[in-house]
Amino acid sequence: GAVVSQHPSRVICKSGTSVKIECRSLDFQATTMFWYRQFPKQSLMLMATSNEGSKATYEQGVEKDKFLINHASLTLSTLTVTSAHPEDSSFYICSVSSRRSYGYTFGSGTRLTVV
Amino acid sequence: EDKVVQSPLSLVVHEGDTVTLNCSYEVTNFRSLLWYKQEKKAPTFLFMLTSSGIEKKSGRLSSILDKKELFSILNITATQTGDSAVYLCAVYGSSNTGKLIFGQGTTLQVKP
Repeated sequence: GAVVSQHPSRVICKSGTSVKIECRSLDFQATTMFWYRQFPKQSLMLMATSNEGSKATYEQGVEKDKFLINHASLTLSTLTVTSAHPEDSSFYICSVSSRRSYGYTFGSGTRLTVV
Repeated sequence: EDKVVQSPLSLVVHEGDTVTLNCSYEVTNFRSLLWYKQEKKAPTFLFMLTSSGIEKKSGRLSSILDKKELFSILNITATQTGDSAVYLCAVYGSSNTGKLIFGQGTTLQVKP
């Protein structure tokens, strides 16, 4: 199946700083990637759909100016959490859609802690 | 609004028990339903179901879809402590841009 690499796996940052999370599709070209957020003991909530070469599509309630998504190439999408606050602390996961991977493959996730 | 509901939300059993996890859905232009197992990190794929009545099986796990009643079940027989995890159900509808809609998850704890 498809291989997706997400980095970093864990990050701790101070309030007010920005954090960039990378999601790479290692073995195929992904025109679309998805970013999810998961709070403790809750399910995955889709934040946005990242489209290569165009603007991301954000879900209702997700601030596009706070969660900046860039999908500049067919193998890389980045999510930048700007001016992070403690309430942004969460588990962020990317996924790509691939026919080879029964629909979807997830990255390993990034646990963000804002102190 | 597209919706996926799982039940129960949590479950505690003993090794050797059989469990059934439920997933019901409402989604426009249903395409497929997927089951994932999530331990400490990202979800790992278990099954994808597109057709009603066809059971998919992998070892002690099996799953089936009922598109008329809009639900799926995931069965785990002879549970082991290693089955302890959150089991996520997700649905893919073609009206969306390829995104998955997830249920709340069922937290399964298998005690020795």
